[in-house]
Amino acid sequence: IAGITQAPTSQILAAGRRMTLRCTQDMRHNAMYWYRQDLGLGLRLIHYSNTAGTTGKGEVPDGYSVSRANTDDFPLTLASAVPSQTSVYFCASSDSASGSYNEQFFGPGTRLTVL
Amino acid sequence: GQNIDQPTEMTATEGAIVQINCTYQTSGFNGLFWYQQHAGEAPTFLSYNVLDGLEEKGRFSSFLSRSKGYSYLLLKELQMKDSASYLCAGLDSNYQLIWGAGTKLIIKP
Repeated sequence: IAGITQAPTSQILAAGRRMTLRCTQDMRHNAMYWYRQDLGLGLRLIHYSNTAGTTGKGEVPDGYSVSRANTDDFPLTLASAVPSQTSVYFCASSDSASGSYNEQFFGPGTRLTVL
Repeated sequence: GQNIDQPTEMTATEGAIVQINCTYQTSGFNGLFWYQQHAGEAPTFLSYNVLDGLEEKGRFSSFLSRSKGYSYLLLKELQMKDSASYLCAGLDSNYQLIWGAGTKLIIKP
């Protein structure tokens, strides 16, 4: 593995189904993020984690949950998918320490369609 | 509220220079990022400015004016491969990135 991987690459999902998007990084970055990107809108932060064992809510957290059991993995779960969750989802990580800046590295994205 | 504004689309000619502007309003300010995103791909980091002035990196330069809440990305000697969306993002007081919708840059031969 080099960098950040996401799975699946794309998925078509029936409304009401549960879905977990996977994200794994091998850079030993402390911080990880989940964004959604919709046409005409900027990247919007769903949830983030500053370090393993902690998570926080972003701008649009409703309908999504995350966990951070270890440094490398940061799965995003849709408990009961709705059509408005149709989007491209990007996972990102950064080597962030509190009070400092670091660039974010992005995974290739998951294109999710909820019907 | 927090807001990042940038033009939706710009067109330029191969070999020319283009300037993409960005204005920002964030709760606190810890810097301004520019990312490049080719269609169907992930964003990739281009530049970071936290102090006023111009940062040059090869064909790309980024400028920041904190007093005006303004930044621009300058691309010189445009190449066809520069056709992409350019995302402006401000880092707020919580060190969270606030993203603009992106500027789609179309390069014509």
